[in-house]
Amino acid sequence: QKEVEQNSGPLSVPEGAIASLNCTYSDRGSQSFFWYRQYSGKSPELIMFIYSNGDKEDGRFTAQLNKASQYVSLLIRDSQPSDSATYLCAAEHSSASKIIFGSGTRLSIRP
Amino acid sequence: DVKVTQSSRYLVKRTGEKVFLECVQDMDHENMFWYRQDPGLGLRLIYFSYDVKMKEKGDIPEGYSVSREKKERFSLILESASTNQTSMYLCASSPPGTGFSYEQYFGPGTRLTVT
Repeated sequence: QKEVEQNSGPLSVPEGAIASLNCTYSDRGSQSFFWYRQYSGKSPELIMFIYSNGDKEDGRFTAQLNKASQYVSLLIRDSQPSDSATYLCAAEHSSASKIIFGSGTRLSIRP
Repeated sequence: DVKVTQSSRYLVKRTGEKVFLECVQDMDHENMFWYRQDPGLGLRLIYFSYDVKMKEKGDIPEGYSVSREKKERFSLILESASTNQTSMYLCASSPPGTGFSYEQYFGPGTRLTVT
């Protein structure tokens, strides 16, 4: 079992709709979770982090965390073609100063 | 603005060569990381370092070594390059601490091809 699992996609969403990206993790001790966006040919960049159960909103992005279910999600409202990218979920390792990445979900926003 | 730079964007080497990949960050970060990224496998941690002259193995250290003589510089060394080390190599840095301090800043990556 991978430590951080994501559906590889591609996930195709019409422009203006809500894109929902999901992630599960296996380390129950993980406290902090991250969503990175990676455009093709570019390096990952952080777009959201969350460490409390519930929702965290930042503009069009909402991160959701459910520690009991070991589940993290990212919602993108009013999806734009510029949101087309691979989204990487990451979880803090509970016993080392590092984070574990999932393999990413490729998101495509169709005009 | 945090800046992480890597010595080359593209590199082509021959099997058996010793390869050096350099990474420099300008934010005085304690933590530095080397990843490789392959299609379908995501980001895999090779080595990381908490401080100067300190290093820790990541998930796939075999065939690699690292050097951190100065805080801002973290080098990845392929002792004897092999074709299965053809990949995108990403360096990252982060400040110390816990929680959101784990935000990592990535360099632009080096696409290494071993022939």
